[in-house]
Amino acid sequence: EIVLTQSPGTLSLSPGERATLSCRASQSASSSYLAWYQQKPGQAPRLLIYAAASRATGIPDRFSGSGSGTDFTLTISRLEPEDSAVYYCQQYGSPWTFGQGTKVEIK
Amino acid sequence: QVQLVQSGAEVKKPGASVKVSCKASGYTFTSYAMHWVRQAPGQRLEWMGWINAANGNTKYSQKFQGRVTITWDTSASTAYMELSSLRSEDTAVYYCARGVLGYGSGIYYYYYMDVWGKGTTVTVSS
Repeated sequence: EIVLTQSPGTLSLSPGERATLSCRASQSASSSYLAWYQQKPGQAPRLLIYAAASRATGIPDRFSGSGSGTDFTLTISRLEPEDSAVYYCQQYGSPWTFGQGTKVEIK
Repeated sequence: QVQLVQSGAEVKKPGASVKVSCKASGYTFTSYAMHWVRQAPGQRLEWMGWINAANGNTKYSQKFQGRVTITWDTSASTAYMELSSLRSEDTAVYYCARGVLGYGSGIYYYYYMDVWGKGTTVTVSS
């Protein structure tokens, strides 16, 4: 089973700043099988990125994904207040696993 | 639009079973898989299993093997997740999520989850 470790645990930034979220896999994960989700309090997760770098339908272009092998990154280029949420990475294989999440707070 | 509507909150006693439904609309039900994911309070998301709505094949996380059963009713575009032998640690929000499928050379490929239901709260308490 691939274990995903996300860092940092919490990111506190101001609107307009750039957020860089990391996801590290315990063994090499196919970049075709890495996704990112956003979850706001009391809501279901929402797909942001799949195949490591492809934006899901309707996702603003300030969200971008990159990486391969064991290191993946989600970047939010210019933070907006509505980006306050917990972000999870996920590898989809067998079994599907999620990271523990990074909380993004907007000052 | 694509929607997954889940059944309502449940309160169960330890040792009981719970069955949660997930009704899909706005897309061809049999062209996708349906995953079930749970989230205990303050915890990360945890994958439980999937059903291929095209052929009914299932796969479960080893953690839940023997306790979870995922079924489907294509005529009702509905998937179900039943979890048995409930314990307090099963208290969580349970989500269904549509799974993207690929198909080629007679093989299905299982990908990410692109649409999620709003979740069903299951509380296990004596």
